[in-house]
Amino acid sequence: GNSVTQMEGPVTLSEEAFLTINCTYTATGYPSLFWYVQYPGEGLQLLLKATKADDKGSNKGFEATYRKETTSFHLEKGSVQVSDSAVYFCALSTGNQFYFGTGTSLTVIP
Amino acid sequence: NAGVTQTPKFQVLKTGQSMTLQCAQDMNHEYMSWYRQDPGMGLRLIHYSVGAGITDQGEVPNGYNVSRSTTEDFPLRLLSAAPSQTSVYFCASRITEFGNQPQHFGDGTRLSIL
Repeated sequence: GNSVTQMEGPVTLSEEAFLTINCTYTATGYPSLFWYVQYPGEGLQLLLKATKADDKGSNKGFEATYRKETTSFHLEKGSVQVSDSAVYFCALSTGNQFYFGTGTSLTVIP
Repeated sequence: NAGVTQTPKFQVLKTGQSMTLQCAQDMNHEYMSWYRQDPGMGLRLIHYSVGAGITDQGEVPNGYNVSRSTTEDFPLRLLSAAPSQTSVYFCASRITEFGNQPQHFGDGTRLSIL
């Protein structure tokens, strides 16, 4: 079946630290991959996406590369800020269905 | 451009009461969906619709009802509220059911059942 597995949190980093949140997937066919961010009290917002193998999605300093050989889509940022504190969800789309990971909570401390 | 609008933002119900969570989108999206978000469980799909007049069940449909009479609106009805339905509910829409387009989410309805 189709599924998304994210690293469990919570993750706590100091400002300007390097961030990696791991995401691996299982899917039939050729899925599209997404990262969403959820700030406290808000809905999910699309952060970035990649639609085929070796695509790199990027936005607001965040990046993720669609790796078909390792079925991964890890989220990275070189220097996190306090304002990046949020919950991050990895997701895939295949056929007419979306599948979400359970989310990874990130707290960035000054 | 309002995107996906959910009302109310907060609601407290007593066990056994019924209510409707409203969802509207102004992007002319064909596909709409309802999720519930519970701690440690991520997002779970309740119901979805691929177009006006068409609805289908998701992963956790029991206790919920939906209809899609227009492209814009996709209300979620709780028939007889139970404490297990205490959750945050999100409505989302997408251009079509297929393809590589993302879903767009509303800000959620926080529902407590006493």
